[in-house]
Amino acid sequence: AQSVTQPDIHITVSEGASLELRCNYSYGATPYLFWYVQSPGQGLQLLLKYFSGDTLVQGIKGFEAEFKRSQSSFNLRKPSVHWSDAAEYFCAVGKGDDKIIFGKGTRLHILP
Amino acid sequence: DARVTQTPRHKVTEMGQEVTMRCQPILGHNTVFWYRQTMMQGLELLAYFRNRAPLDDSGMPKDRFSAEMPDATLATLKIQPSEPRDSAVYFCASGLVRGVGYNEQFFGPGTRLTVL
Repeated sequence: AQSVTQPDIHITVSEGASLELRCNYSYGATPYLFWYVQSPGQGLQLLLKYFSGDTLVQGIKGFEAEFKRSQSSFNLRKPSVHWSDAAEYFCAVGKGDDKIIFGKGTRLHILP
Repeated sequence: DARVTQTPRHKVTEMGQEVTMRCQPILGHNTVFWYRQTMMQGLELLAYFRNRAPLDDSGMPKDRFSAEMPDATLATLKIQPSEPRDSAVYFCASGLVRGVGYNEQFFGPGTRLTVL
């Protein structure tokens, strides 16, 4: 069965520091992978997605993610975080039938 | 700026009462999803529709939950009777599926439901 694991429930980084959020997936075929962000009291917004092609995907707000098939990973990165990046981040995998399975999320805290 | 709207944003009710949550998908989108978010379970898919037809409601407790799309501009999620364990944030999302690959799901702001 398809699954998504985000091993870090909380991550704290200082403003201006680099960020990497981890995501591992389990899927038998070529996955469709997503990262969403949820600000407090808001719905989810798509940051980026991977379907095929270049394994380094650029998204909005300066985020990028790299698909590594050998490691079944799709980690999210940002070179320098801003206080406004504090939110919860969800990795998700497509099941091949319109549905998406979401990870449990990683809450990002930013230190001033 | 097209967006998914949900009403009400907050709902407090007593156990046993009927709850109806409404969603207006983005105009032109052909797929609508209902999700429930809790601390313990995270985001769970309850049901989804394509072109107003229900495709999958396996995530939904059938005895008390029902989801419908009376028309292309309105999706509803009803709980009757409600129970305290239904307390959660309910999200609606819509998307445009064109047959190949995935397209983005656009989420509404959610309805925070509290059942006392």
